[in-house]
Amino acid sequence: AQSVTQLGSHVSVSEGALVLLRCNYSSSVPPYLFWYVQYPNQGLQLLLKYTSAATLVKGINGFEAEFKKSETSFHLTKPSAHMSDAAEYFCAVSSRGGSYIPTFGRGTSLIVHP
Amino acid sequence: NAGVTQTPKFRILKIGQSMTLQCTQDMNHNYMYWYRQDPGMGLKLIYYSVGAGITDKGEVPNGYNVSRSTTEDFPLRLELAAPSQTSVYFCASNPGSSYEQYFGPGTRLTVT
Repeated sequence: AQSVTQLGSHVSVSEGALVLLRCNYSSSVPPYLFWYVQYPNQGLQLLLKYTSAATLVKGINGFEAEFKKSETSFHLTKPSAHMSDAAEYFCAVSSRGGSYIPTFGRGTSLIVHP
Repeated sequence: NAGVTQTPKFRILKIGQSMTLQCTQDMNHNYMYWYRQDPGMGLKLIYYSVGAGITDKGEVPNGYNVSRSTTEDFPLRLELAAPSQTSVYFCASNPGSSYEQYFGPGTRLTVT
């Protein structure tokens, strides 16, 4: 069984401030973890993924996430927010060796103020 | 590659009407999926397919049907539209060699 919890349906930051979007997961086997971004009126696109190599994963647009097994977390961060980062962000988990059916979190809407 | 394409982009249906949402991928991916997205609810899996001729139900299959006659196409059929089916529908695919998904741009459906 696998599940994902994203803490906070909305996160608001000022331009230039740190972005932190939280994701906790549950998986009975070692997981693959993903962050997807959805810009308004578009489909989801992959931001970054953890597949058991380095625990600190770098993605596109300056985002990164750290896999912490002890905390079952995969939080997404960016040192300095841009206006263009305003979007919906989804965390997802797939169980290694499983059926290629991921479980998605409910999403976090990132709001960036000028 | 065009990736995953979906048609139409928008559609308004009356209660009881039927329609087919089209999805095509040109990446030769074995796995394909249909999701619906409702505000604050994330993505719910409707149906998925692991290859041509093989489909299975997801979390919310009621009111929908699918078929997979080719690797490229995975249409979603709504037979008797209901207001509860108002949503944004996304098709996705996966090569089966990795676990990341490739999404189409979505179809926004309103049933009134």
